Amino acid sequence: DQQVKQNSPSLSVQEGRISILNCDYTNSMFDYFLWYKKYPAEGPTFLISISSIKDKNEDGRFTVFLNKSAKHLSLHIVPSQPGDSAVYFCAASAEQGAQKLVFGQGTRLTINP
Amino acid sequence: EAQVTQNPRYLITVTGKKLTVTCSQNMNHEYMSWYRQDPGLGLRQIYYSMNVEVTDKGDVPEGYKVSRKEKRNFPLILESPSPNQTSLYFCASSRGSFRGTEAFFGQGTRLTVV
Repeated sequence: DQQVKQNSPSLSVQEGRISILNCDYTNSMFDYFLWYKKYPAEGPTFLISISSIKDKNEDGRFTVFLNKSAKHLSLHIVPSQPGDSAVYFCAASAEQGAQKLVFGQGTRLTINP
Repeated sequence: EAQVTQNPRYLITVTGKKLTVTCSQNMNHEYMSWYRQDPGLGLRQIYYSMNVEVTDKGDVPEGYKVSRKEKRNFPLILESPSPNQTSLYFCASSRGSFRGTEAFFGQGTRLTVV
């Protein structure tokens, strides 16, 4: 049972435009969410996170939005750059079970020049 | 340089031949964990450790063993590998729990069991 779902396996965006990556979750106990970015032949690296007490968190070109009622979060990248081409994983955790991150399937983002 | 180091990076082995994938971190992190990445499934947690001599099962522990005798090392042991354990494996470490603190990942070990 996939508790964290990224329904778009891939996304292609023009350089300079906005990239929007989506993530849905089913477990209402999840209250902390993270995005990781992965380049080929490397391990995932932390990008940005959000706690359920917020609905938005910004870090430079990256903004994460959380809609708790819809159990949905999204990552916005503005403006998109060629170096943003990577696989993006959404992850979630609950206060009980804080040692566990539950990951989505990943979305491959390609930024076209 | 702060890092998580996994070895080997690539491994091809035969069914039933015991193997160990090593993981070492130089950040004095308490939390360490092993994940496997499979197409369409994302990363799934195999085992985790909250400190020396403290380990517990993740979501997919069957066929794997771990040990945490020292803080820096967290090896993954496959006593009798099978083809369904062919996967990309990642070790991760974190200063606190993986919730709320950034997890650092190794570069991955691609394992093929024939």
